[in-house]
Amino acid sequence: EPEVTQTPSHQVTQMGQEVILRCVPISNHLYFYWYRQILGQKVEFLVSFYNNEISEKSEIFDDQFSVERPDGSNFTLKIRSTKLEDSAMYFCASKRDFNVEQYFGPGTRLTVT
Amino acid sequence: KQEVTQIPAALSVPEGENLVLNCSFTDSAIYNLQWFRQDPGKGLTSLLLIQSSQREQTSGRLNASLDKSSGRSTLYIAASQPGDSATYLCAVRDSARQLTFGSGTQLTVLP
Repeated sequence: EPEVTQTPSHQVTQMGQEVILRCVPISNHLYFYWYRQILGQKVEFLVSFYNNEISEKSEIFDDQFSVERPDGSNFTLKIRSTKLEDSAMYFCASKRDFNVEQYFGPGTRLTVT
Repeated sequence: KQEVTQIPAALSVPEGENLVLNCSFTDSAIYNLQWFRQDPGKGLTSLLLIQSSQREQTSGRLNASLDKSSGRSTLYIAASQPGDSATYLCAVRDSARQLTFGSGTQLTVLP
């Protein structure tokens, strides 16, 4: 069964460094998402991406964040200058159509020291 | 702004029991509601999706109901097993076209 994959599973970085989190959505899906979950807190929406552009973004998704779909398979989240409070589990998700299930990847645990 | 609440926060039951998890949301103008399972340190596994026009969905031992007008959904798990132990999350997709999650119910099924 097709699934969303994410790399790396765990990333440790120093404050102020740039990180890129990578996702490979399910191949025939058209809508792509990033969410994050700070330890012990709710899963929070960051951004949605459709037709090669951002369709929605939350207040969390400020100028330090960007997303890209550089080719037909990868979907990336870049954090330009990481802060301690960016430490969280980051989940990528995708779906095939407008009003169907979202499928989530296993997550990347980002630790900013 | 949509708020999603899940009660109880934690639940412990003996194996074999039937149980109900509750989810409520403040804005009833939703497209759909999705139930997920999350194992410790892992990603989210989709269990069921209910469209706003539906009243319930079933998958195996799981049955989810939706009462959109009252802003409530329940997830019924029949004949619980230790392997069902996980955190169960509900999420609604509303006019903001994003999923808003509840805090989850942490379920422990005792052998």
